[in-house]
Amino acid sequence: QVHLEQSGAEVKRPGASVRISCKPSGYPFTSYYLHWLRQAPGQGLEWMGIISPRSGSTSYSQKFQGRVTMTTDTSTATAYMDVTSLISEDTAVYFCTRGTVTPLARFDYWGQGTLVTVSS
Amino acid sequence: IVLTQSPGTLSLSPGERATLSCRASQSVGGSFLAWYQQKPGQAPRLLIHGPSTRAPGIPDRFTAGGSGRDFTLTISRLEPEDFAVYYCQQYANSPTLGQGPEREPTFGQGTRVEIK
Repeated sequence: QVHLEQSGAEVKRPGASVRISCKPSGYPFTSYYLHWLRQAPGQGLEWMGIISPRSGSTSYSQKFQGRVTMTTDTSTATAYMDVTSLISEDTAVYFCTRGTVTPLARFDYWGQGTLVTVSS
Repeated sequence: IVLTQSPGTLSLSPGERATLSCRASQSVGGSFLAWYQQKPGQAPRLLIHGPSTRAPGIPDRFTAGGSGRDFTLTISRLEPEDFAVYYCQQYANSPTLGQGPEREPTFGQGTRVEIK
């Protein structure tokens, strides 16, 4: 069955960076697009960007352009998202999700989420 | 595309019927609209997409439909495990990864279905 395992919770100072990992299983890693989303405490869902594990092509939400980098390592079938210049408003649960075989931004399977807390 | 969900909170008893609404600021092309369920402390789960196709394992008490700007999720008879927050999401505006103007999917603000 499809499963996405994310890295554990992080606590960061303002201005720092964070790397979150996501390791899907149960399907061919390069066959499906991956998306990253986040959810601030008590808030709704926000799409951050997409990556093609096959080609490495990415597209980021305008809101996060320049501060977010998504990558994949096909040798370990792992996806990563780096977020730089963290501020308190970046405190959120970050989700990796499996999309479809096209860039259609539908989120069929979700990781368990990674809580990132930004605090001085 | 801005999605507005109503009501914000729905207070119902188990066994009752729940009707949730999602209205878009403009027509959702291809009816590319999905519904997700989220329980406290959990990741969202895809329920229905496109706009009426249930995801694998989703019970048939969940139905959805609509077109253009107006979409509805219906839970025919609420089970205790159905009390949760529900989000609609449009993916008509999906990213192109540099193959055209970039577009972004968006979510509604959610409807909480709570036990009355």
